[in-house]
Amino acid sequence: QKEVEQNSGPLSVPEGAIASLNCTYSDRGSQSFFWYRQYSGKSPELIMFIYSNGDKEDGRFTAQLNKASQYVSLLIRDSQPSDSATYLCAVNILTGGGNKLTFGTGTQLKVEL
Amino acid sequence: DGGITQSPKYLFRKEGQNVTLSCEQNLNHDAMYWYRQDPGQGLRLIYYSQIVNDFQKGDIAEGYSVSREKKESFPLTVTSAQKNPTAFYLCASADRGRSQPQHFGDGTRLSIL
Repeated sequence: QKEVEQNSGPLSVPEGAIASLNCTYSDRGSQSFFWYRQYSGKSPELIMFIYSNGDKEDGRFTAQLNKASQYVSLLIRDSQPSDSATYLCAVNILTGGGNKLTFGTGTQLKVEL
Repeated sequence: DGGITQSPKYLFRKEGQNVTLSCEQNLNHDAMYWYRQDPGQGLRLIYYSQIVNDFQKGDIAEGYSVSREKKESFPLTVTSAQKNPTAFYLCASADRGRSQPQHFGDGTRLSIL
């Protein structure tokens, strides 16, 4: 079982719709969770991070964390063509080496006109 | 402006040659990281450093070496022992602490001549 799993997609949504991206993780001791957006050929850009169970909202983005079920999701409201990118989920896996992230392989999102 | 600078943007390696990728940050971050990304894949951790003069191997350290002589700098050497070096290399940095998000440079694309 992979430590961090994401559906590779592509996930296609019409412009203006809500895009829902999901991520599951295997380590119950994970403490912090991050969503990065990566445009083709570019480096990842931090969008959201969440540490506690529940929802965290920032503009059109909402991160949701459920530690009991070991999943974290990202909702994008009013999706725009500029949101078309690959979204990477990253989880802080507890190690003696401190802040070490494990990344999923990403979900490709396509927002269609 | 504060940020992470990676150079060069593109790099070509000949057979049997060692090459060094530069990563400099002026964010005053303690921790620095090197990742490798292959097409359609997530990020895999090569090496990371939490403090100056100390670093740890990540998941795929074989064929790579690093140094951390200054807080601002964390160069990565791809040695001739790395038989499949073609990839997108990403450097990241983060504040001290388990839950601090990592921020990425623009990356270096390495190819074999």
